[in-house]
Amino acid sequence: GENVEQHPSTLSVQEGDSAVIKCTYSDSASNYFPWYKQELGKGPQLIIDIRSNVGEKKDQRIAVTLNKTAKHFSLHITETQPEDSAVYFCAASSYNQGGKLIFGQGTELSVKP
Amino acid sequence: NAGVTQTPKFRILKIGQSMTLQCAQDMNHNYMYWYRQDPGMGLKLIYYSVGAGITDKGEVPNGYNVSRSTTEDFPLRLELAAPSQTSVYFCASSFTNTEAFFGQGTRLTVV
Repeated sequence: GENVEQHPSTLSVQEGDSAVIKCTYSDSASNYFPWYKQELGKGPQLIIDIRSNVGEKKDQRIAVTLNKTAKHFSLHITETQPEDSAVYFCAASSYNQGGKLIFGQGTELSVKP
Repeated sequence: NAGVTQTPKFRILKIGQSMTLQCAQDMNHNYMYWYRQDPGMGLKLIYYSVGAGITDKGEVPNGYNVSRSTTEDFPLRLELAAPSQTSVYFCASSFTNTEAFFGQGTRLTVV
């Protein structure tokens, strides 16, 4: 089955700097790659996603890139703000595998003012 | 529009007791999922369902059971609680291969 590896596990940046989180996946059939943000005591919330027919997607300060050949995808946050501090999860799913989401281990991002 | 609702929010169980974690969604989603999240870890898929009457095992199904008699509800059953089942449980729902909406979680402690 699918396996998703996420790095780094913790990331500390200064306000205004950029943050990059990377994930690799194992199942070449995976075709949907969402990123979730989880704040303390809450459920994860989708912040951006990308499908396998697209190489890059951007939404204001957040962007995701996908390299299907290497089976890795990355989250880029520019001009970080203290409210970006949270745990971020990547995930992968395949319609052919029932659409179930398999998550990475998470990255705890801390943005210092 | 409530989204995904989980009950209870907190529960303490004794070893060997049983309980059902409730999950309901009002978005008419066909897919529903149960995940567990251990401290400092990612979300592990326990069971999922692609529609009423259809369920399948995820990554960590042992010790759990589910049913899906309606589109809206997807309860998770723990038959013989063990300390290893101490975790935060999240229910989620989605349309096929799209954004999953999560509930607020149930924090379960087994003592």
